[in-house]
Amino acid sequence: GAVVSQHPSWVICKSGTSVKIECRSLDFQATTMFWYRQFPKQSLMLMATSNEGSKATYEQGVEKDKFLINHASLTLSTLTVTSAHPEDSSFYICSASEALYREQFFGPGTRLTVL
Amino acid sequence: AQTVTQSQPEMSVQEAETVTLSCTYDTSESDYYLFWYKQPPSRQMILVIRQEAYKQQNATENRFSVNFQKAAKSFSLKISDSQLGDAAMYFCAYQSNYQLIWGAGTKLIIKP
Repeated sequence: GAVVSQHPSWVICKSGTSVKIECRSLDFQATTMFWYRQFPKQSLMLMATSNEGSKATYEQGVEKDKFLINHASLTLSTLTVTSAHPEDSSFYICSASEALYREQFFGPGTRLTVL
Repeated sequence: AQTVTQSQPEMSVQEAETVTLSCTYDTSESDYYLFWYKQPPSRQMILVIRQEAYKQQNATENRFSVNFQKAAKSFSLKISDSQLGDAAMYFCAYQSNYQLIWGAGTKLIIKP
C-alpha cells in the first residue's frame, strides 16, 4: 500500500514558539493532503484540506493564521503551529491521496506537547 | 449533513471468538464509500475494510467482514477468530465527496 510519513513523531516546545510538522508521500504523488487533529479518546477532526500549489481550505473554527499549511510539492505538505500554546497540545495526523476523491493514506501522526 | 454513529464506546471479546461492531450513518446520497479503520496504541490509522455503496456484495478481508444494509444505513464490522493484535480503537467512516466523516470510535478489548 501507499506510504505516508510524518516528521517529527513527537515534539515538545515552549509556549510562544512555532513548530513545523512535515507530511510526505513516499511512493506516490499526493495531489491532496489532509490535516487532522485528534484529542485523547476522540475521533479525528479535519482541520484543513490542501491541494498542491493552492491555498489550503480550512474547516470552520480552525484559525488559518495559527495553523499554516503549505503544500508546495506533490510529495510534501507542512503544518506550522505558530505561537504555540498549551491548548495546541494534541495529536496531529496527516493523510494523502492521489486526487481529491481518491482513498486517503494516513501518516503515523505527530504528538505535540506545548509547555 | 452526513453523520456517522457508533453506539458502542467499548466492546470486549474472548480471544478466538467473534465480535460485531456497529455503525449507522445518515445520508441522502446514493453513491458513497464506507470504511472501517483500526487505530492501535501506536495511533497509526490502518484501513481494515472498504465498501462501495453501489456494490451489493458485502466486502471481506480475511477475518474481517461487513454487513452492509444500504436501506437501513447500517455498516457493521464482524471480526472472526479474534486475536490479541486486534485490540484497538475501530472507527467507521463515510465518504461521498473528498471528506471523511468519522464515527466516535469503539474500543475493542481482547480477553486472553
